[in-house]
Amino acid sequence: EIVLTQSPGTLSLSPGERATLSCRASQSVSSTYLAWYQQKPGQAPRLLIYGASSRATGIPDRFSGSGSGTDFTLTISRLEPEDFAVYYCQQYGSSLWTFGQGTKVEIK
Amino acid sequence: EVQLMESGGGLVQPGGSLRLSCAASGFTFSSYSMNWVRQAPGRGLEWVSYISTSSSTIYYADSVKGRFTISRDNAKNSLYLQMNSLRAEDTAVYYCARVRTSGYMDVWGKGTTVTVSS
Repeated sequence: EIVLTQSPGTLSLSPGERATLSCRASQSVSSTYLAWYQQKPGQAPRLLIYGASSRATGIPDRFSGSGSGTDFTLTISRLEPEDFAVYYCQQYGSSLWTFGQGTKVEIK
Repeated sequence: EVQLMESGGGLVQPGGSLRLSCAASGFTFSSYSMNWVRQAPGRGLEWVSYISTSSSTIYYADSVKGRFTISRDNAKNSLYLQMNSLRAEDTAVYYCARVRTSGYMDVWGKGTTVTVSS
């Protein structure tokens, strides 16, 4: 089973700042099968990025994804107030899905 | 509007059973594979089970294998999760989600809460 490790656990930033979130896999993951989600308290997860770098429908271009192999990154270029939330990476492979433990982006 | 809506959650005693449902609308349900994903209180997301469009392919997480059964009724645009031998560690919000070919989940329901406690 591929384990995804996200860092940092918590990111304290101010609106307007850049956020860089990391997702590291225990073994190589095809970029095709790597996704990112945003979750706010009391809400379901929302798809942000699929295929490591493709934005989902309606996702602002301040969100971008990159990476390959075992290292993937979600970048939020300029944080808006609505971006403070928890972010999860997810991979699919070998007939199962795994999620990272999440990175919380909080207001500094 | 593309929508998923879960129901059937509640309070159940350890060892008990519960059946969750997920009603789909706004898209051709029979054309999409589906997942159940859960989230324990204050914890992250955990994949539970997968079912293909025709129910020919089914997967389970090791944590629920042998206790949970996923199924679907394409004529009723519905997905189900039969949960037996429930444990305290099954307490969570359960989400159904639409699965795309590359394994990402692009539509999620709002979730239904399952609490296993005596």
